[in-house]
Amino acid sequence: QLQLQESGPGLVKTSETLSLSCAVSGGSISSSSYYWGWIRQSPGKGLEWIGSIYYSGKTYYRSSLKSRVTISIDTSKNYFSLKLRSVIAADTAVYYCASLRGSFRVVDYWGQGTLVTVSS
Amino acid sequence: SYVLTQPPSVSEAPGKTARITCGGNNIGSKSVHWYQQRPGQAPVLVIFSDSDRPSGIPDRFSGSNSGNTATLTISRVDAGDEADYFCQVWDSSSDHVVFGGGTKLTVL
Repeated sequence: QLQLQESGPGLVKTSETLSLSCAVSGGSISSSSYYWGWIRQSPGKGLEWIGSIYYSGKTYYRSSLKSRVTISIDTSKNYFSLKLRSVIAADTAVYYCASLRGSFRVVDYWGQGTLVTVSS
Repeated sequence: SYVLTQPPSVSEAPGKTARITCGGNNIGSKSVHWYQQRPGQAPVLVIFSDSDRPSGIPDRFSGSNSGNTATLTISRVDAGDEADYFCQVWDSSSDHVVFGGGTKLTVL
């Protein structure tokens, strides 16, 4: 059973870069069965997919965030990362890392989530 | 971009059957997944590929998908089923993961 754990600062200043990492255990991040993704949830709101990455390094980004987002993967250390540049208050959210299985992207494992607050 | 529409809230009495819908253009041609999220917790997969249940999910949870509507059905609801429920698809035309806005299930 996969386990995912987010880590990173809980407070980021406006206009700076939000950086989070996700450690994967219980399986290999190089598995061809999975994509690895970031999903966020603003307080009291719904789920918003940010982007995903395959072990090969191929990335998929939400159109509205594409200019500010970079997702990378380190197969040697079994983790992947998120960078969101030029953050604003609206980027305040709980950020989840997750595994997305197969061609239909079933999110079958989630990290516990980490709250990131953007404030000046 | 592809849009999934859910009712903001659904209420049902204990022991009855709750149905939560997820609307999308020709959603019947896509594979729909459903997640349960209790307050303060990460979402949990309850139905995948329209109607399959992960191990550990009670058979009170079922799903269907046809035409422009997918439905999550929860039979014999109890207080423990109170949560937000989200539908999700992969939109291959845009290479996007798409979530519905979520439905809050209240057990009266």
